Amino acid sequence: LAKTTQPISMDSYEGQEVNITCSHNNIATNDYITWYQQFPSQGPRFIIQGYKTKVTNEVASLFIPADRKSSTLSLPRVSLSDTAVYYCLEGMDSSYKLIFGSGTRLLVRP
Amino acid sequence: DTEVTQTPKHLVMGMTNKKSLKCEQHMGHRAMYWYKQKAKKPPELMFVYSYEKLSINESVPSRFSPECPNSSLLNLHLHALQPEDSALYLCASSQDFYQESSYNSPLHFGNGTRLTVT
Repeated sequence: LAKTTQPISMDSYEGQEVNITCSHNNIATNDYITWYQQFPSQGPRFIIQGYKTKVTNEVASLFIPADRKSSTLSLPRVSLSDTAVYYCLEGMDSSYKLIFGSGTRLLVRP
Repeated sequence: DTEVTQTPKHLVMGMTNKKSLKCEQHMGHRAMYWYKQKAKKPPELMFVYSYEKLSINESVPSRFSPECPNSSLLNLHLHALQPEDSALYLCASSQDFYQESSYNSPLHFGNGTRLTVT
């Protein structure tokens, strides 16, 4: 079973900032939080990974509060090409399996 | 473009056929994975190889047989599949796979093989 909870879908417009939040209610002390992006008929693509506070790269920012019970992926100034499914993952489960959650379908409109 | 190459991109096979899916990476990664993805669903883990040894078999039916000939190659042999096995089969690799740690080095996915079983 997935360990994370995230919204099923989100809509946005070009140029806006999009924030997608994921719940990690049972995150383990050593778990890292990772986000992936997937376009139709392609494999998921790694976006960003963090443990706590804030991480930023050329694509996105990841905010993780002190209690680490949630994480927020921030996409600045989205474009139509950011329309995709976004998955958050945390570590592995007790069987050492990396389980994908249900994902958030982001639709960016003109 | 991805650094994990999967062939073929598309495959149509009958239920009595034997076919193989191939995956290759040249990033020096020591862990390789097979995932299965049905339409509008998240990827589901099937197998994990770490240092060319099978580490995880997620109770996958024996009609799917993985093989890791060397650290750069991963195959998935298919035999006597059912129509419900039709899906996108994704290969991934990562630098390491440490079962003792919750840290997981990021996965690098190929673009998959779209399999249709008739």
